[in-house]
Amino acid sequence: GQNIDQPTEMTATEGAIVQINCTYQTSGFNGLFWYQQHAGEAPTFLSYNVLDGLEEKGRFSSFLSRSKGYSYLLLKELQMKDSASYLCAVRDGDYKLSFGAGTTVTVRA
Amino acid sequence: ETGVTQTPRHLVMGMTNKKSLKCEQHLGHNAMYWYKQSAKKPLELMFVYNFKEQTENNSVPSRFSPECPNSSHLFLHLHTLQPEDSALYLCASSQDRGEGETQYFGPGTRLLVL
Repeated sequence: GQNIDQPTEMTATEGAIVQINCTYQTSGFNGLFWYQQHAGEAPTFLSYNVLDGLEEKGRFSSFLSRSKGYSYLLLKELQMKDSASYLCAVRDGDYKLSFGAGTTVTVRA
Repeated sequence: ETGVTQTPRHLVMGMTNKKSLKCEQHLGHNAMYWYKQSAKKPLELMFVYNFKEQTENNSVPSRFSPECPNSSHLFLHLHTLQPEDSALYLCASSQDRGEGETQYFGPGTRLLVL
């Protein structure tokens, strides 16, 4: 099976920056996704990386290094509404999407 | 209309009951998925349908039976479930199963098996 690791929990202050790391080991690679999931709600798509480098989308950025099997999601200018679980997901060589267990981010005032 | 809808949102059932979960997508997608999400665990892929054909069954017990009558609707029929089947069941859809296809999720059905 696939192996995707990310921290369980992170806490940060409103206005700060938080970086959520994700490491993976998969059979083949066809892209990495980040999703946001608020409690009791559907996961919503945040970003997609298939080539090495940084993808920036507003306050959120995602980075990928395929050689290192590593990605991070960077959340800038944190807001209270950013408190949620962040899921790292990797698409393998058979286009099957495997998810990490998620990182719960708590933003404090 | 919201992209992917699921009903019911909450379900409590006994181990001898038979129930069905429904998913509908309004995005014109061709692929649909069932996932199981248990507390503190990764999402587990259960079934994949592409153009109404089942393309993946991820070793799911036969007490879960999927049905895909058309590209917009997906059902999960449940019978003789176990308490450990209690979880959030998420439906998702994507345009296809090619490279770069993003999956869009419904809000899920929170299932409790007593």
